Amino acid sequence: QKEVEQDPGPLSVPEGAIVSLNCTYSNSAFQYFMWYRQYSRKGPELLMYTYSSGNKEDGRFTAQVDKSSKYISLFIRDSQPSDSATYLCAMTKGNYGQNFVFGPGTRLSVLP
Amino acid sequence: DAGVIQSPRHEVTEMGQEVTLRCKPISGHDYLFWYRQTMMRGLELLIYFNNNVPIDDSGMPEDRFSAKMPNASFSTLKIQPSEPRDSAVYFCASRRGPSLQETQYFGPGTRLLVL
Repeated sequence: QKEVEQDPGPLSVPEGAIVSLNCTYSNSAFQYFMWYRQYSRKGPELLMYTYSSGNKEDGRFTAQVDKSSKYISLFIRDSQPSDSATYLCAMTKGNYGQNFVFGPGTRLSVLP
Repeated sequence: DAGVIQSPRHEVTEMGQEVTLRCKPISGHDYLFWYRQTMMRGLELLIYFNNNVPIDDSGMPEDRFSAKMPNASFSTLKIQPSEPRDSAVYFCASRRGPSLQETQYFGPGTRLLVL
């Protein structure tokens, strides 16, 4: 079993839909969770960063962490074609931990 | 700021050849990271530097891989000799400080194909 799992997709949704992207993980020591967006042929860029369990909202994006279930989610409201990208979850054990473990990524297509 | 700069953007080489990838981090960033991304293994950390000093190289796959950071504005990742299984996208990233509240910025990557 991989340390971090993601449904690879591709996930296709119509413009305006609510998108739910998910990761599961096996190591209960992970405390810090991040979501990255990666456009085709580009480097990843940080979208959201959360600590421990709970929700965090930033515009159309909401990150949710459920440590008891070892499950994290990223919700995108009112999805736009410009949201079409691969979304990577990442996690680490400490705030000063540099060794992130990344999920394999979910490819999202938002159709106009 | 121009962001993290990587060169070359694409590299095609033959098995057994030496490959050198280059990275210029964002000015003022004390942390520099080298990652490798493949379809099979996803994004993996190879090595990271703090103030030009290698801190953790546990992700470097084998002795054929080496990385240096001779000064705060330049780092190299070298593969010698290269093998077809080294074909991947190699990303360099930098961050100002150690805290995760500091954003890590990725470069555009170098696409390496070893024939």
